[in-house]
Amino acid sequence: DTAVSQTPKYLVTQMGNDKSIKCEQNLGHDTMYWYKQDSKKFLKIMFSYNNKELIINETVPNRFSPKSPDKAHLNLHINSLELGDSAVYFCASSQERGGTTEAFFGQGTRLTVV
Amino acid sequence: DAKTTQPPSMDCAEGRAANLPCNHSTISGNEYVYWYRQIHSQGPQYIIHGLKNNETNEMASLIITEDRKSSTLILPHATLRDTAVYYCIVRVAGPGAGNMLTFGGGTRLMVKP
Repeated sequence: DTAVSQTPKYLVTQMGNDKSIKCEQNLGHDTMYWYKQDSKKFLKIMFSYNNKELIINETVPNRFSPKSPDKAHLNLHINSLELGDSAVYFCASSQERGGTTEAFFGQGTRLTVV
Repeated sequence: DAKTTQPPSMDCAEGRAANLPCNHSTISGNEYVYWYRQIHSQGPQYIIHGLKNNETNEMASLIITEDRKSSTLILPHATLRDTAVYYCIVRVAGPGAGNMLTFGGGTRLMVKP
C-alpha cells in the first residue's frame, strides 16, 4: 500500500481555472505538508497542518488553501490559476517519535497551467 | 532552523563509497541533522538522521563532527540507482505544524559505471 498518495499525478489546466489536488496518508501521522518544486528544482514548504494548527509560508498567495476533512487527508485548493503556478506539488506526512521526525512524501503532482 | 551548505554536484564511481559533505556551522544544540534524497521525478526520501553520535542504517552512514558544525553522508557501495539529489537539513525536534523541513539546493550525485 502506498503510504502517501496524491491525485492526480498530472494536471493540465487553463489560466483562471480553479483546481484541487488530493492527498491521503495511511500511516496514521498527525502532521501533513504541502511543498512546491519549481522549474529550478527548489523545494519550498507551502503549508504544514497538525491537529487543526495551520502554518502558512508567508510567500504563498492566498489563492492557495489547504483543506483537511480528516487527519488522513490534506487537499490543496488553488483558485484563479496563473502560469507561475506551474510546478510539481508534493504532499508529505510525519509523526513525531522520540524527539525526531521522518517525513514521507508522495510522488508529486505535476501541474501545468496553459 | 540553521542553514546548510553543500557542494552543488559530485561524481562517484559505481561500487565505490560516496562521501557527501555538509556544513552547518550555525547549528544549535537541539537541532538534528537529517539527510533526504530525491531521485529524478520522485518525491524526497528519508535516508538517515542524527544528533551527536554517528549513525548507520541499511542505506547509509552519517558521520557528525565533534563540534557538530559539519557532517558527511556515506553511501558505502554506490550503485547507479543512488544517482539523485541529496539534501542535508538541520531542524529542531518536537511535534507541531511548525516542525517542517527546509530544503536547500542539495548535492546532485552522479554515480557512473
